[in-house]
Amino acid sequence: NAGVMQNPRHLVRRRGQEARLRCSPMKGHSHVYWYRQLPEEGLKFMVYLQKENIIDESGMPKERFSAEFPKEGPSILRIQQVVRGDSAAYFCASSPGTSGSRYEQYFGPGTRLTVT
Amino acid sequence: QQQVKQSPQSLIVQKGGISIINCAYENTAFDYFPWYQQFPGKGPALLIAIRPDVSEKKEGRFTISFNKSAKQFSLHIMDSQPGDSATYFCAASMDSSYKLIFGSGTRLLVRP
Repeated sequence: NAGVMQNPRHLVRRRGQEARLRCSPMKGHSHVYWYRQLPEEGLKFMVYLQKENIIDESGMPKERFSAEFPKEGPSILRIQQVVRGDSAAYFCASSPGTSGSRYEQYFGPGTRLTVT
Repeated sequence: QQQVKQSPQSLIVQKGGISIINCAYENTAFDYFPWYQQFPGKGPALLIAIRPDVSEKKEGRFTISFNKSAKQFSLHIMDSQPGDSATYFCAASMDSSYKLIFGSGTRLLVRP
């Protein structure tokens, strides 16, 4: 059973460009979460999605950031007009979303974004 | 109220020793407390988790102790091994919101 997959693993963007980060959840998982980790810090929640729905985006910056989880295909975290402060590791997690195990979130390997 | 405070920031233990990492929280609505292990360049891996209706949970060399009245929980790693050297994060979440609130992490080094 493949784990959570994220690509690309490393992404370099110049200031002002767009960054697209992809996440394929574990097989059978319908809930996706995005977290951001700055160097030497813990993970900060950004957004929680189910298929075609954003459930909680309370951790997302109001501007330039958006996320989607379409009916078909991976979840996408999109950062427009990137700035140096966006440089971080972005992790996707998925969970089954079923009673009893809905809390268990399994993380992907992350995408390390560097903005030059 | 949404914070989870973790200590120590770093920890050095001799091989075979016990590693203890502590976390504290304020929000009594939290009802799920997992621990994650993260190696450099990797994503966090779920180690063990506990709900507040039990005071202790053990899986292999890893034990979570939970003190509901003190709003504290801790991770004990028995017979620590060099391969356990990693960063450990505690976290918490509540039923109304599945998002995980993470502690700041503890960097564990187990000396051979």
